[in-house]
Amino acid sequence: AQSVAQPEDQVNVAEGNPLTVKCTYSVSGNPYLFWYVQYPNRGLQFLLKYITGDNLVKGSYGFEAEFNKSQTSFHLKKPSALVSDSALYFCAVSEPSLYGNKLVFGAGTILRVKS
Amino acid sequence: DTEVTQTPKHLVMGMTNKKSLKCEQHMGHRAMYWYKQKAKKPPELMFVYSYEKLSINESVPSRFSPECPNSSLLNLHLHALQPEDSALYLCASSQEPSSRGDTQYFGPGTRLTVL
Repeated sequence: AQSVAQPEDQVNVAEGNPLTVKCTYSVSGNPYLFWYVQYPNRGLQFLLKYITGDNLVKGSYGFEAEFNKSQTSFHLKKPSALVSDSALYFCAVSEPSLYGNKLVFGAGTILRVKS
Repeated sequence: DTEVTQTPKHLVMGMTNKKSLKCEQHMGHRAMYWYKQKAKKPPELMFVYSYEKLSINESVPSRFSPECPNSSLLNLHLHALQPEDSALYLCASSQEPSSRGDTQYFGPGTRLTVL
């Protein structure tokens, strides 16, 4: 079974500082990894995904993620945090099945950016 | 355009009521999903429709009944719900359900309260 882990329940960062939200994965075969963000009382918004190719994936709103096969990690990063980046972030992995692909989500990490 | 719409935004119902949630997408996506999400938790997959056919049912109680009238619409019929069913119900769609790299796009959700 495919799984992802988000080791931090919450990350606090000052506005203007770089931010990192961590994700590690456990998969059989090649990983298909995703990051989503959820603002309060809203649905999930897709940020970026890794399928194959470059280990540095660029996504929406200035976010990027670094795929590291040796460390089985897919950390989300942004060079300069904004207060508006404060939200709940989910890492996910695509799990294949006979009947279609399912997203398996991590527990989520709350990001708080303080001005 | 990657918009998935959901109605209503909020729903309050009694345990004996029958109600329906509606989801719509006009992106030509071939898969549609229902998720249930409790506060600050990851979404839990309930159902997947692939090419308008139910492909995944994650052992959801029969008081939840999905329906896919056509490729753009997805309904979730609710009957005799319990207070513990109160949650945010999210709909998502994706272009090609057989592809592991397929991105799911989420709607804003329906906040359901069962009294």
